[in-house]
Amino acid sequence: AQSVTQLDSHVSVSEGTPVLLRCNYSSSYSPSLFWYVQHPNKGLQLLLKYTSAATLVKGINGFEAEFKKSETSFHLTKPSAHMSDAAEYFCVVSATSGTYKYIFGTGTRLKVLA
Amino acid sequence: GAGVSQSPSNKVTEKGKDVELRCDPISGHTALYWYRQSLGQGLEFLIYFQGNSAPDKSGLPSDRFSAERTGGSVSTLTIQRTQQEDSAVYLCASSTSNQPQHFGDGTRLSIL
Repeated sequence: AQSVTQLDSHVSVSEGTPVLLRCNYSSSYSPSLFWYVQHPNKGLQLLLKYTSAATLVKGINGFEAEFKKSETSFHLTKPSAHMSDAAEYFCVVSATSGTYKYIFGTGTRLKVLA
Repeated sequence: GAGVSQSPSNKVTEKGKDVELRCDPISGHTALYWYRQSLGQGLEFLIYFQGNSAPDKSGLPSDRFSAERTGGSVSTLTIQRTQQEDSAVYLCASSTSNQPQHFGDGTRLSIL
């Protein structure tokens, strides 16, 4: 069985400071992992994906994530937060080796303080 | 290009009524997914269509829920005899093989 745990339900950072959103996964085989962002009243937008290529994955809007098998983690980072980054972020693991049936984390709401 | 389109964007209905939610996937995407997003439950998988294969209905919460996908394109999610616990955002996503899912903006369903 696969699962994903987002360790923080809420994170607050000041504008211009680094962002760290934590995600741990459980998978019986090599997983596909994703980070999505959801702004209010919008659908989910893909930030980045890991599919067993490079362990450091770069995404859109300056975000990146590192796949660490030994720690079963896939934390999302950004060097400098912007006000427009305020949103909810979801860590996702796929239920098979493809993109079939995502398993979602419970989400982390990011607040960016001026 | 055009993304996943869902309609209506908002729906308010009375308990006991039937509702139909529509999803128009990205052209050429063979896979289509429905999810439900509700407070306290997070994002839940409902149903998955892949080409002409039989759909995976394992996430549908009750027999009041059904979905169809006509001609391998547009999909309709139907909820019969709606209950207040059906109030949620219903999200549709589509994808091609081995590519991430693209989501629509959802339908916000409120049951009075």
